[in-house]
Amino acid sequence: SQTIHQWPATLVQPVGSPLSLECTVEGTSNPNLYWYRQAAGRGLQLLFYSVGIGQISSEVPQNLSASRPQDRQFILSSKKLLLSDSGFYLCAFDSGSTDTQYFGPGTRLTVL
Amino acid sequence: GDSVTQMEGPVTLSEEAFLTINCTYTATGYPSLFWYVQYPGEGLQLLLKATKADDKGSNKGFEATYRKETTSFHLEKGSVQVSDSAVYFCALSLSGGSYIPTFGRGTSLIVHP
Repeated sequence: SQTIHQWPATLVQPVGSPLSLECTVEGTSNPNLYWYRQAAGRGLQLLFYSVGIGQISSEVPQNLSASRPQDRQFILSSKKLLLSDSGFYLCAFDSGSTDTQYFGPGTRLTVL
Repeated sequence: GDSVTQMEGPVTLSEEAFLTINCTYTATGYPSLFWYVQYPGEGLQLLLKATKADDKGSNKGFEATYRKETTSFHLEKGSVQVSDSAVYFCALSLSGGSYIPTFGRGTSLIVHP
């Protein structure tokens, strides 16, 4: 069966520190991968998506970046966090043919 | 461009009340339509979907019918429970290629005992 993992579950980081969030998918090949952010009480904001290894599209210019070093691994990074980076980060995937998106459990990031 | 519009929340109901959350869409082509649910502190999970006009998706007592003539996909449940308290997202997607799903802003549902 298809599963998706994200870690860490929660993270508290000081302003200016680096960030690395990891997402891995199991049970499917060549998935489309997505990073979303939810600010408190708001909807989903698409940050990045990837249709293949090394292929990253950015939807919102900011101090975050994403990488896909392996087919089923998606990493969200920052060199220097801002207060405005706080939020709930969700990784998701779909297989393209079924349209349904499957979401990870999320990472709660607090930047102080 | 494609878009999904949901009713503003929060929707506050008493247990066993009838629920409707409105969702309308605009899309080029013939999308699949989805309702996702997000419980507090968790990721989204698929609640139900419909892939063509007049299809009815259903799950856990929730239903939604794909209405092409009114471009709508309203979510309904006959008798809500406290455990249904969550945020509900309507979404659309076009199959094939690298189409990115379009989500509504979400509607918070609060059910009181």
